[in-house]
Amino acid sequence: EAGVAQSPRYKIIEKRQSVAFWCNPISGHATLYWYQQILGQGPKLLIQFQNNGVVDDSQLPKDRFSAERLKGVDSTLKIQPAKLEDSAVYLCASSPRVQETQYFGPGTRLLVL
Amino acid sequence: SQQGEEDPQALSIQEGENATMNCSYKTSINNLQWYRQNSGRGLVHLILIRSNEREKHSGRLRVTLDTSKKSSSLLITASRAADTASYFCATDSGGTYKYIFGTGTRLKVLA
Repeated sequence: EAGVAQSPRYKIIEKRQSVAFWCNPISGHATLYWYQQILGQGPKLLIQFQNNGVVDDSQLPKDRFSAERLKGVDSTLKIQPAKLEDSAVYLCASSPRVQETQYFGPGTRLLVL
Repeated sequence: SQQGEEDPQALSIQEGENATMNCSYKTSINNLQWYRQNSGRGLVHLILIRSNEREKHSGRLRVTLDTSKKSSSLLITASRAADTASYFCATDSGGTYKYIFGTGTRLKVLA
């Protein structure tokens, strides 16, 4: 069974530029999560989808971050414009249902200069 | 504020020794999960324990849950150098099933 795929793996941008990350969850998983992990900290949930609907986005900085899940499968997370403090690893995870184990992708490491 | 917090923040042991790390949380939970993260990589799920369970095992891993004390512990027996990683607990907050991760315990196993 293929795992959660993410791309790109690394991205370096200048502040105020925009960036997008892509996630392909495990086939059949209804729930998809985006987390932000700053160095030395635990992952922080940004947004949670159930199929193509948003379940929770209370910690998503909506003035600059946006996310969508197309047809309840792939998802993209966008930052526009980026700030220095957005430098982090962005992790995507999926699970069959909300109560079940979350499977994480390898993450995208973002550096904002 | 953090729902789950791991203790200790860092732990260094010799290969073959046991490692114990703890997780405390603040509000009632449905499930608690433990994850491992090797440097620069994604998180790997270890064990999920439900609020009505007290102990679960997986290979060299043993997880306990004490809902009265709002705490959980992860025991790794006969540690190996390959167990060197950060370990996180993740707890859901009541009925939401939204998981919140702690800051992790950094385990170093010396060969």
